[in-house]
Amino acid sequence: EVQLVQSGGEVKKPGESLKISCKGSGYTFTTYWIGWVRQMPGKGLEWMGIIYPGDSDLRYSPSFQGQVTISADKSISTAYLQWSSLKASDTAMYYCTRGRGGTDPFDYWGQGTLVTVSS
Amino acid sequence: SYVLTQPPSVSVAPGKTARITCEGDNFGRNTMNWYQQKPGQAPVLVIYYDTDRPSGIPERFSGSNSANTATLTISRVEAGDEADYYCQIWDSSSVHPVFGGGTKLTVL
Repeated sequence: EVQLVQSGGEVKKPGESLKISCKGSGYTFTTYWIGWVRQMPGKGLEWMGIIYPGDSDLRYSPSFQGQVTISADKSISTAYLQWSSLKASDTAMYYCTRGRGGTDPFDYWGQGTLVTVSS
Repeated sequence: SYVLTQPPSVSVAPGKTARITCEGDNFGRNTMNWYQQKPGQAPVLVIYYDTDRPSGIPERFSGSNSANTATLTISRVEAGDEADYYCQIWDSSSVHPVFGGGTKLTVL
């Protein structure tokens, strides 16, 4: 069974750093792209970026370039999303999802990680 | 950047047909995908490649794509179909996916 299991919710203060994770199982991790999607409270889905764990090919949405870092450790089938200095406006639910790339859909999604940034 | 426009809300009575549209400038050869998101849950793929349904998605869900408008159709709507629905396409260079703003389906 394909699963993407994300790390638990986080409560952080502005200026703090954070790294959340997404562990894939039930499929060959290195043959699918892993993407990250932000959903701010009461809002829609926003594309952040995508990584191909097989060779670490990486693409960021222009809106998030420089704001976050996406990485992956294929040895443990895990992708990461990290911030070096959080802002209150980073408060959101973050989802990871997988796809084959090209024009293919995102067929499995993680359960989401709620990040709350508050002083 | 590419923009997909969806109506913010659609309302339908149980047993009727709901149609949710997604408009863009030029889809080119890229196909549309649709996701359902119920409150407090992660999105679920319900239609891909314009018209295909993943395993486990009821036949009541169907998709179409004509010119610059894609449509998600839900026949014989049930209370459990109440959710937000998002369209998604890859941009012309197939580098970045783009999501529509989402449509809230209310079952009256």
